[in-house]
Order: sequence, then structure tokens, then C-alpha cells
Amino acid sequence: RKEVEQDPGPFNVPEGATVAFNCTYSNSASQSFFWYRQDCRKEPKLLMSVYSSGNEDGRFTAQLNRASQYISLLIRDSKLSDSATYLCAVNKFYFGSGTKLNVKP
Amino acid sequence: DGGITQSPKYLFRKEGQNVTLSCEQNLNHDAMYWYRQDPGQGLRLIYYSQIVNDFQKGDIAEGYSVSREKKESFPLTVTSAQKNPTAFYLCASSTDRVVTGELFFGEGSRLTVL
Repeated sequence: RKEVEQDPGPFNVPEGATVAFNCTYSNSASQSFFWYRQDCRKEPKLLMSVYSSGNEDGRFTAQLNRASQYISLLIRDSKLSDSATYLCAVNKFYFGSGTKLNVKP
Repeated sequence: DGGITQSPKYLFRKEGQNVTLSCEQNLNHDAMYWYRQDPGQGLRLIYYSQIVNDFQKGDIAEGYSVSREKKESFPLTVTSAQKNPTAFYLCASSTDRVVTGELFFGEGSRLTVL
């Protein structure tokens, strides 16, 4: 079983839509969780850390569910510029394969 | 500007040749990492170093070697023993030596073995 699993998508949504991604992890002792954004053929960049209490940054909300061992990312009011691949990461060692988001006009 | 510099960005090599990818950071970070990314895949950890003169194997260390003689530098050698070396290689650094904390990535090196 993979350490971290994500739905690869793609998620094709219109501008202004709300979209949510989930990411499951297998090790219940995992300590830190992140969402990274990766544009085509570029390096990943940190989008946000995921805290137990959940956290929000503008249109982006991340949550952690330890009981079910998953993290989520919610994007509200999608913009064309949100089109990218979103990678979840557990600790520094394990990354999901990414979920591709296409936001269309 | 502070950051991580990887070179070269693109590299073509023949099978059987060793290749060394450079990674330099001026962020004064203790920890550095090497990942490999294949198309449509996530990042897989090759090696990491939490302090100078010390490094640890990640999940896919076979066919790779590293050194950490200076805090700023963490070069990766892709040896001829690596069976499928064509990939996108990403170097990262972090302030924390432990498993927590965010990663700062270089722009990556794209290696193609012909």
C-alpha cells in the first residue's frame, strides 16, 4: 500500500466553482502535512501547511482528519490561475502523485 | 536573493555514464534532500542530509550517491547502476532537521539518458 494516495483527476471545473481534493495517508504516526502546488514542468511550491485545527488562506482551506487518516484541500471561487497539479505531502518523505486541476472559462 | 540553485537544468547522457547534479543553497538551512519525479508521479525520496558529513538513504537510493562536505552543497551522482535514470530531479532544503517543516525546492534538473 502506498504511503500517500491521491485521486489523479483531472478535475475540470468552471471559473468560480468550488472544488475539493482529498489525500489519504497510511501511517497513523505521521506528524506534519502539507499541500504543494506544481505547475507543468516546474518545481513544487508550498501552498499551505495543514494543522489539526484546520487552516484557511484566502480562498484555500486545508483540513486534517486524523481518525480517518486523510487531509483535504478546498478551493473556493476557482480562478484560471489555479490550474495546476496539487500534491499532498506527509512529513518530508512522502508525496502523493498529485491531483490535476483544470479551471476553464 | 536567497534560494536553491540546481544545475544543469537539462542534461543528456549516454547509458553507462555517471552524471553529477549540482545543488547549492544560500538559505543557511541544515537539511537538504533529493527527490526524483517521473511523469504523472509524485516525488520519491532518494537521499537526505540533516547535517554536514552525514546523509541517509531514502526509499530509492539504489544507483545514486551523494556527499555533504559543505552546508551549502549537496550534489547527487546518478551512477550507471541506476537502471532507469531518466527523470526530473528535485533538490530541496529545510530549516528543520526533523520530519516536520516545509521544503524549499530548486527548479529541478531534467535528465534524459539516451
